[in-house]
Amino acid sequence: TQLLEQSPQFLSIQEGENLTVYCNSSSVFSSLQWYRQEPGEGPVLLVTVVTGGEVKKLKRLTFQFGDARKDSSLHITAAQPGDTGLYLCAGAQGSSNTGKLIFGQGTTLQVKP
Amino acid sequence: GAGVSQSPRYKVTKRGQDVALRCDPISGHVSLYWYRQALGQGPEFLTYFNYEAQQDKSGLPNDRFSAERPEGSISTLTIQRTEQRDSAMYRCASSPLDSIGSMNTEAFFGQGTRLTVV
Repeated sequence: TQLLEQSPQFLSIQEGENLTVYCNSSSVFSSLQWYRQEPGEGPVLLVTVVTGGEVKKLKRLTFQFGDARKDSSLHITAAQPGDTGLYLCAGAQGSSNTGKLIFGQGTTLQVKP
Repeated sequence: GAGVSQSPRYKVTKRGQDVALRCDPISGHVSLYWYRQALGQGPEFLTYFNYEAQQDKSGLPNDRFSAERPEGSISTLTIQRTEQRDSAMYRCASSPLDSIGSMNTEAFFGQGTRLTVV
């Protein structure tokens, strides 16, 4: 059973378009993180959201944590070829003391020039 | 070192052999995680440690898989009697705190060990 469901799994768009990636779960997470992974490398953290309803912006990227802390979204405005990569959401389970980090299955984004 | 170091980077082994994968976390990091990742997919949780204590091993596929971190630093993931289905990228990550849910706590990943069982 996949605790974190990401959608879509694949996304191919033209440069300049906007997109949203969703991360959903039936479980509550104490926090949720978004990572980006390039081929041959390990995932690298983009952002951590902790509070239900929280919105964080990182340049053209906007991250939102659902009010119930069960879901999150990543919105990219005016996508660029450099945004191409595998985007992963990851949730910390249970209380903040558990330390267990579970990943979604990932969204592969391709931005064509 | 500056980052999480995994060795070997590539390992080809014959079916039935045992393999040991090593992870050297960032110095001082409390938590250490092992994941398995298929191409284009998210990392699949295997196990994690806080200091030398194994906190959760619920993701280990079966009893051929084991992990240890005896001194709270370097960790070894051992796979006994390897099978072809064990072929995958194995990734290690470390975190400075024992609570990944805390603000600004991130997992730093190594470059992984690509295991191929032939």
